[in-house]
Amino acid sequence: GQNIDQPTEMTATEGAIVQINCTYQTSGFNGLFWYQQHAGEAPTFLSYNVLDGLEEKGRFSSFLSRSKGYSYLLLKELQMKDSASYLCAVKDQAGTALIFGKGTTLSVSS
Amino acid sequence: DGGITQSPKYLFRKEGQNVTLSCEQNLNHDAMYWYRQDPGQGLRLIYYSQIVNDFQKGDIAEGYSVSREKKESFPLTVTSAQKNPTAFYLCASRRGQGETEAFFGQGTRLTVV
Repeated sequence: GQNIDQPTEMTATEGAIVQINCTYQTSGFNGLFWYQQHAGEAPTFLSYNVLDGLEEKGRFSSFLSRSKGYSYLLLKELQMKDSASYLCAVKDQAGTALIFGKGTTLSVSS
Repeated sequence: DGGITQSPKYLFRKEGQNVTLSCEQNLNHDAMYWYRQDPGQGLRLIYYSQIVNDFQKGDIAEGYSVSREKKESFPLTVTSAQKNPTAFYLCASRRGQGETEAFFGQGTRLTVV
């Protein structure tokens, strides 16, 4: 079976750092993606991890541990515009489709 | 500009009617996907296609049908057999090789009354 877990909601203040966790149990693994989605809009790609370790891209970083079935997205220097849903997705065994978690809604306040 | 286009953005239909959602991409991507999104449910895979004239069921295919007659187009039909069709529908495409990310259309919000 496929199971991807993320916290439902998180809150943080401007300028802070927030870590959004994702754990997965899937029949296979061919990579993990993080997407950002503002309400009513399409998801946009943030990061991709296929090997263990940290990938840094500006204010956003993503970490993967395949042995633990665990990833996190780290957002630094939070801005109001970072208020959105963050979706964790795993590429399945065949590497053909993305399986999504339910998403984490992040609210950033001033 | 290259991209993936869904139309219309909002769609209203009466219960019992079939409705077809359009998805077109000019990215020359091999793989295309349809997802459904409900509040608090994340994205759930309906159908996907890796090449022309071939498609596979996702986790929630019942009540839906698709076709892939052209590489650029992957329309989704929501049939009257779908019990709860009101939702936000997202189409995506991916080059289909390696680790490339999926690109999403802007979505169609379908409301059945």
